[in-house]
Amino acid sequence: DAGVTQSPTHLIKTRGQQVTLRCSPISGHKSVSWYQQVLGQGPQFIFQYYEKEERGRGNFPDRFSARQFPNYSSELNVNALLLGDSALYLCASSPGQVGQPQHFGDGTRLSIL
Amino acid sequence: GEDVEQSLFLSVREGDSSVINCTYTDSSSTYLYWYKQEPGAGLQLLTYIFSNMDMKQDQRLTVLLNKKDKHLSLRIADTQTGDSAIYFCADGSGGGADGLTFGKGTHLIIQP
Repeated sequence: DAGVTQSPTHLIKTRGQQVTLRCSPISGHKSVSWYQQVLGQGPQFIFQYYEKEERGRGNFPDRFSARQFPNYSSELNVNALLLGDSALYLCASSPGQVGQPQHFGDGTRLSIL
Repeated sequence: GEDVEQSLFLSVREGDSSVINCTYTDSSSTYLYWYKQEPGAGLQLLTYIFSNMDMKQDQRLTVLLNKKDKHLSLRIADTQTGDSAIYFCADGSGGGADGLTFGKGTHLIIQP
């Protein structure tokens, strides 16, 4: 079975631009979470969606937004990119019930010039 | 706020056991997780433990949880070169709305 898939794998943008990252969860998983991993740090929680509704939000500015589609795939949007947004963006999916762990994709490496 | 602490580096000889330690502050943590990250890759779920358990064993992996001290450890028996990676401890409420809180990761270095 396919795992969590993310696209693109790498992306280069300039300051002020906007970016959209995409994630397809494991088949049957209804919850998708997004994390930002800056070099040398652990992942930081950005958003969690379940059944197309936002279920949680981390401490990130309003420039970050996300949505989940009826097929449970998800997009993360970041506006007005800053140099500090350079990071590995990870998507994780889970069935959504309590106690079921999150499974991660390989991430999108975003570089801001 | 919630915090998860890990040592940054651990060096062990091939064939020995590795013990990676983690402390957390959130007393409401329901589940605690160990993930492995190899260079250029995402996070691979290794194992997880429910907070009402003391120990969980899965092949070469043993997780010990001391809930009173908020201390979690991961023991890898017979460490191999393929175990070289960054290991992350994470706490969460089992898929709850706050997401997972990760430590900074422990780099496991294997000496021949």
